Amino acid sequence: ETGVTQTPRHLVMGMTNKKSLKCEQHLGHNAMYWYKQSAKKPLELMFVYNFKEQTENNSVPSRFSPECPNSSHLFLHLHTLQPEDSALYLCASSQGIGIQETQYFGPGTRLLVL
Amino acid sequence: AQSVTQLGSHVSVSEGALVLLRCNYSSSVPPYLFWYVQYPNQGLQLLLKYTTGATLVKGINGFEAEFKKSETSFHLTKPSAHMSDAAEYFCAVSREGFQKLVFGTGTRLLVSP
Repeated sequence: ETGVTQTPRHLVMGMTNKKSLKCEQHLGHNAMYWYKQSAKKPLELMFVYNFKEQTENNSVPSRFSPECPNSSHLFLHLHTLQPEDSALYLCASSQGIGIQETQYFGPGTRLLVL
Repeated sequence: AQSVTQLGSHVSVSEGALVLLRCNYSSSVPPYLFWYVQYPNQGLQLLLKYTTGATLVKGINGFEAEFKKSETSFHLTKPSAHMSDAAEYFCAVSREGFQKLVFGTGTRLLVSP
């Protein structure tokens, strides 16, 4: 595997389900990110981790719970989601969190909440 | 506060024609500017970025962009479109000391034969 991988690629869940999204980066980076991409809206940064520590939580509802066990893996735990949470969830990584750093994105998980 | 405006949610060109995708930004301090491309069913990929120095930035796949401070613009161009350029393009802005990238809403480029 190379680059940034995300699983699953598609997910359908009911509002009462609990599921998790997984992201893995094979680039030796230290920073990882979760973004939400909704139709007709700008990409929204959700969380940032640097060396496994959360450095940014962009006022994300608590029904989204991130976990970063090491610099290569990032999870997004989902519970009691709402239909408006349906979107493409993108993971990204970068060498550091300096803004000149290039972020490398995974292909995303397309989530549908029924 | 920073923001990005991409004029035109869709741009259509013929193969071989000039590609021009517009991006205007607002930033109270010197910005860092980025263009990303997203092909269908894929994540975003960096095309080019401006941090400091030369205002004309060359990127991958023959794209380039020019930072014009007086016009607060960072338009993306390519002299001759190829069918493989069909994708969605995102402009983004940030600045020194600010961890976030602020993205525009994207422009979908359609290339016809």
